[in-house]
Amino acid sequence: DTAVSQTPKYLVTQMGNDKSIKCEQNLGHDTMYWYKQDSKKFLKIMFSYNNKELIINETVPNRFSPKSPDKAHLNLHINSLELGDSAVYFCASSQGIYTGELFFGEGSRLTVL
Amino acid sequence: GENVEQHPSTLSVQEGDSAVIKCTYSDSASNYFPWYKQELGKGPQLIIDIRSNVGEKKDQRIAVTLNKTAKHFSLHITETQPEDSAVYFCAASLGTTFGDGTTLTVKP
Repeated sequence: DTAVSQTPKYLVTQMGNDKSIKCEQNLGHDTMYWYKQDSKKFLKIMFSYNNKELIINETVPNRFSPKSPDKAHLNLHINSLELGDSAVYFCASSQGIYTGELFFGEGSRLTVL
Repeated sequence: GENVEQHPSTLSVQEGDSAVIKCTYSDSASNYFPWYKQELGKGPQLIIDIRSNVGEKKDQRIAVTLNKTAKHFSLHITETQPEDSAVYFCAASLGTTFGDGTTLTVKP
């Protein structure tokens, strides 16, 4: 039973389109995150939610909008996709804010053509 | 914000040798230092972590050392095996800011 699951695993789309990536965790954790991993493997935090409340919002274009309908779900919506948005996006969760281990999903590879 | 520097970016060792990866951090308030292993096509997975009240921690072939005064911590892998080949990340700043990663290749 997958702890942190993301869908879709692969996403290929055209520039200018809008797309969403969904994330769900069944670990009972309070905190969820979105990370972006670029082609050089650099892993950068984008957002963090604790109990549906935004707590980390790094310097990310406002074309990216996270939404947390409940503490088990954190979705990422991206408007007006650009070539530079191509990356692997990882969802993660932890028991609480800054309490330790992050549990990552398998990643969603977004390719913008 | 926190700055985490990780070296080297690539490391190639012979099977059975030891591998050492080093990280430095800037925020003296950081108190949690995890190491993650990322295999191809997968998400990072925690392999070992250390908190600021401890100087060293071991788990079988893996160890982490922390020098809070110098603000650096290191991952040590002994008796490396081909399955240790992966990208390794350190993290600081409450465990959410990652270094740039080290690609470790263990040659059989």
